[in-house]
Amino acid sequence: GENVEQHPSTLSVQEGDSAVIKCTYSDSASNYFPWYKQELGKGPQLIIDIRSNVGEKKDQRIAVTLNKTAKHFSLHITETQPEDSAVYFCAAPTGGFKTIFGAGTRLFVKA
Amino acid sequence: SQTIHQWPATLVQPVGSPLSLECTVEGTSNPNLYWYRQAAGRGLQLLFYSIGIDQISSEVPQNLSASRPQDRQFILSSKKLLLSDSGFYLCAWSLSRSSSSYNEQFFGPGTRLTVL
Repeated sequence: GENVEQHPSTLSVQEGDSAVIKCTYSDSASNYFPWYKQELGKGPQLIIDIRSNVGEKKDQRIAVTLNKTAKHFSLHITETQPEDSAVYFCAAPTGGFKTIFGAGTRLFVKA
Repeated sequence: SQTIHQWPATLVQPVGSPLSLECTVEGTSNPNLYWYRQAAGRGLQLLFYSIGIDQISSEVPQNLSASRPQDRQFILSSKKLLLSDSGFYLCAWSLSRSSSSYNEQFFGPGTRLTVL
């Protein structure tokens, strides 16, 4: 079945450094790739998304890149801050009504 | 604007007791609705999704069930809870379209369930 693999599962960076989280999807029909941030005890919130007709999208310190040929997409956070510490999920729709989520990456930003 | 509510926020239940978690959405019509479970430190497991009243799909066979008595109300139930039902339950909605393409999901605040 459809699958989304996410790496790494845990990432620790120093404040001010960059963080990169990578995902691979299996469904060739997927055309929308959102990223969610989940803070402790809360529901996930969308932080950025990309559609298959573009290769990169940027919003201030956050950027997402997409390689449809390789079925890879990545989240890039620059100039990390302690408040970036959270769990991040990538996701891809299956072509039906479901969205498959990656297993999540726990990001720690050390001050 | 649209909002999504879940209650209760936390729940502690004994094994074998029944369960009812409620989710309501405001500010939109005919949303797609979803129930997810998240075990501690784990990812999101899709339990049920619904594209309309009385249209509910189950993803994982288990002792849970879902109902949608009204357009914007989604209920997760169990007749007898198991220890393994403990977790963080999240409700989500998305715009009603022909598929989930381009469909951002909006999550509720979640219900933390502990089964003792």
